[in-house]
Amino acid sequence: ILNVEQSPQSLHVQEGDSTNFTCSFPSSNFYALHWYRWETAKSPEALFVMTLNGDEKKKGRISATLNTKEGYSYLYIKGSQPEDSATYLCARYNQGGKLIFGQGTELSVKP
Amino acid sequence: DTGVSQDPRHKITKRGQNVTFRCDPISEHNRLYWYRQTLGQGPEFLTYFQNEAQLEKSRLLSDRFSAERPKGSFSTLEIQRTEQGDSAMYLCASSFSGEVWTFGSGTRLTVV
Repeated sequence: ILNVEQSPQSLHVQEGDSTNFTCSFPSSNFYALHWYRWETAKSPEALFVMTLNGDEKKKGRISATLNTKEGYSYLYIKGSQPEDSATYLCARYNQGGKLIFGQGTELSVKP
Repeated sequence: DTGVSQDPRHKITKRGQNVTFRCDPISEHNRLYWYRQTLGQGPEFLTYFQNEAQLEKSRLLSDRFSAERPKGSFSTLEIQRTEQGDSAMYLCASSFSGEVWTFGSGTRLTVV
């Protein structure tokens, strides 16, 4: 994998559903993986910064896991709420000191 | 400190005009980054500064784009002779040595 890739591109779920997204990234020379939530008309909000293989982080109903050897991370949302509707971005922090973003997963939660 | 501020929030300009955007980072942050995001894509790296030094500039940036960060504080991004393809959201972010990043709300540019 040469770039950061996210799937699915968009997701529509009902309130109360649990959901998950995937972020795939080059596994060589790994430094860190960032997850952001970006709501319309607001700034991207940092969710997690993950560095260690096997790392698992949690923030309320949102959690993320990291596998640096195979180059993927999962983001889980338990019991989705309409306020979770946003674009979720993952980004790999590289040796050059910048973030390389995936294209994002757009989540829409219907009441 | 209220976070990263970007000005203006929206800019509509005619093709061929020059535009300038401003970013005020978090004051303790030594790094400042500019990204561009178009519909359906993730943010793409444009350039970044450590203090006042511009350390890297993307090949995406043509000669019409220039960025400055005088005295290592605020930054400006100028686009000369705008083209319709420049229409995008321009995001600024800051960090302390690449750790937790804080983004601004962006400047949405529309070139008509």
